[in-house]
Amino acid sequence: DGGITQSPKYLFRKEGQNVTLSCEQNLNHDAMYWYRQDPGQGLRLIYYSQIVNDFQKGDIAEGYSVSREKKESFPLTVTSAQKNPTAFYLCASSRVDGGVEAFFGQGTRLTVV
Amino acid sequence: GEDVEQSLFLSVREGDSSVINCTYTDSSSTYLYWYKQEPGAGLQLLTYIFSNMDMKQDQRLTVLLNKKDKHLSLRIADTQTGDSAIYFCADANQAGTALIFGKGTTLSVSS
Repeated sequence: DGGITQSPKYLFRKEGQNVTLSCEQNLNHDAMYWYRQDPGQGLRLIYYSQIVNDFQKGDIAEGYSVSREKKESFPLTVTSAQKNPTAFYLCASSRVDGGVEAFFGQGTRLTVV
Repeated sequence: GEDVEQSLFLSVREGDSSVINCTYTDSSSTYLYWYKQEPGAGLQLLTYIFSNMDMKQDQRLTVLLNKKDKHLSLRIADTQTGDSAIYFCADANQAGTALIFGKGTTLSVSS
């Protein structure tokens, strides 16, 4: 079955450590996205990529980094520079022609203690 | 920049209709979307409407688009307890490269 997989579902890290969240898709989509969700804040765009080896900052990119070495994969690193990293992180993918209808993974809940 | 606004809460009784409203700022979008999120899960695309349409019906869901007022609504007929979730309105950013979401409307359905 085609889909988008995020792992792990829950992640705990100590303050000051970098952590990488995984996102893989087998939908053959060119575009991939990372969003952060906080209670009452909706979804805010962190980074997106429309093609391999290229990515763009979203509205809240500070303290995060990404790479896009393969079409299927778009990992997100939450660095120690991110002041409030505890959140629910959602990865999505879409085609780049026509609409940008996005398909979402099940999310990773990151807790930094 | 682009913005999408929604009311945060809606409470209805089972069997009633629910209407969730959304306003957006970018008028150049080709499509507008409604997503549903159940607790602890990702977002699921419910429906979308092409910008040159006024209305789209899909089983219990009706989407109304007023381009002049930049207003989008989602009507759920015969609302069930299983419809309890957060509903997000989404619009493409100006470049058409990513979706911008509202804060979400939490729909609570009581029996």
